[in-house]
Amino acid sequence: GEQVEQRPPHLSVREGDSAVIICTYTDPNSYYFFWYKQEPGAGLQLLMKVFSSTEINEGQGFTVLLNKKDKQLSLNLTAAHPGDSAVYFCAVGVGDNSKLIWGLGTSLVVNP
Amino acid sequence: DAGVTQTPRHEVAEKGQTIILKCEPVSGHNDLFWYRQTKIQGLELLSYFRSKSLMEDGGAFKDRFKAEMLNSSFSTLKIQPTEPKDSAVYLCASSLEGQGGNTLYFGEGSRLIVV
Repeated sequence: GEQVEQRPPHLSVREGDSAVIICTYTDPNSYYFFWYKQEPGAGLQLLMKVFSSTEINEGQGFTVLLNKKDKQLSLNLTAAHPGDSAVYFCAVGVGDNSKLIWGLGTSLVVNP
Repeated sequence: DAGVTQTPRHEVAEKGQTIILKCEPVSGHNDLFWYRQTKIQGLELLSYFRSKSLMEDGGAFKDRFKAEMLNSSFSTLKIQPTEPKDSAVYLCASSLEGQGGNTLYFGEGSRLIVV
């Protein structure tokens, strides 16, 4: 079945630096993708949802890239700030949401 | 709009006890999910309801885990009897009914410690 590998598991950057998190999936039929952010003691909050039709997705302070050829989804935070410190999860879907496959998460620390 | 509400936020149980976790989904959402979150396994689907009907019951979790949804605005997850390996954060999420790709809205989770 579908598998999702998320890396790195831990990432520490300085304020103002960029941070990149990558998820690699296996099912070429995957057509929707999520990035969620989880702050300490909180639930997961949607960062961005993308569909396979769009390869470059711009958010506020970040970009999500979808490389269908290599089956990779990346979250690129530009100019990270301490408020970005959290655990980030990707999820990949084909079919209904009960079939979502989740990455194991990346713990990002942004140091002032 | 109220988001997903989960109670209790924290629970400490002795091995063998029964615990019940509660979830109120976002009003108007017909899909409800229970996940278990651990650092090792990440998010694991326990149960999935659509319009109150149990669609998935998480296979490996059938034995001691039972989720119910008696009405569209309330769901419970019962763990009976608890074991130390059940220590985890239990997340409830809801979404609009439809094909895949609808955004999941998560509650803050219930952290369970079994001693």
